[in-house]
Amino acid sequence: QVQLVQSGAEVKKPGASVKLSCKTSGYTFTSYYLHWVRQAPGQGLEWMGTINPNDGNTKYEQKFQGRVTMSRDTSTTTIYMELSSLRSDDTAVYYCVRLSTGRSGWYYFDPWGQGTRVTVSS
Amino acid sequence: DIQMTQSPSSLSASVGDTVTITCRASQDVKHWLAWYQQEPGKVPKLLISGASTLHSGVPSRFSGSGSGTDFTLTINSLQPEDFATYYCQQADSLPVTFGQGTRVDMK
Repeated sequence: QVQLVQSGAEVKKPGASVKLSCKTSGYTFTSYYLHWVRQAPGQGLEWMGTINPNDGNTKYEQKFQGRVTMSRDTSTTTIYMELSSLRSDDTAVYYCVRLSTGRSGWYYFDPWGQGTRVTVSS
Repeated sequence: DIQMTQSPSSLSASVGDTVTITCRASQDVKHWLAWYQQEPGKVPKLLISGASTLHSGVPSRFSGSGSGTDFTLTINSLQPEDFATYYCQQADSLPVTFGQGTRVDMK
């Protein structure tokens, strides 16, 4: 079955960088866009950006431009998200998620990785 | 960017009630609207795509309607496992945007 398995929790100091991974399996890696979504404690879902695993092209939410880098490794069917210059308000659970489409042709986010908790604290 | 506004932000209901959540887009997203359910501490789960297409395995008490800018998620005969937070999401254009969420809790 399709699975997205994310790396473990991270604790970082302000100003540091964090690089998260999302290992995919159960489908053709290059056939589906993958996205990153984060959720701060008690808050809603916030889209960060997307990567095309086929060619590595990315598109980022404007507020993260200059701080985020998404990449992929086709040999391990894994994507990565690096966020730099961390601040306390970057404390959140970070999810990778596949952009899927069903027989109806509609796009949706499914499945989701299990999430990676990132804590930014001095 | 397309802004998604849900209402209400929270509601209290009882088992067996019918619950309606509204999502409004700041511009036309046609039918490119999905709904997700998130229980506390859990990963969001897809309920509906294309504004009204129920995802596989989702109980039929969930239904979605609407197009353009106004959408509705209805839960008929609310069950104990339905107490959660619900998000709408537009998939019409980047950046992807979510509503702020509607928390459904027990009255």
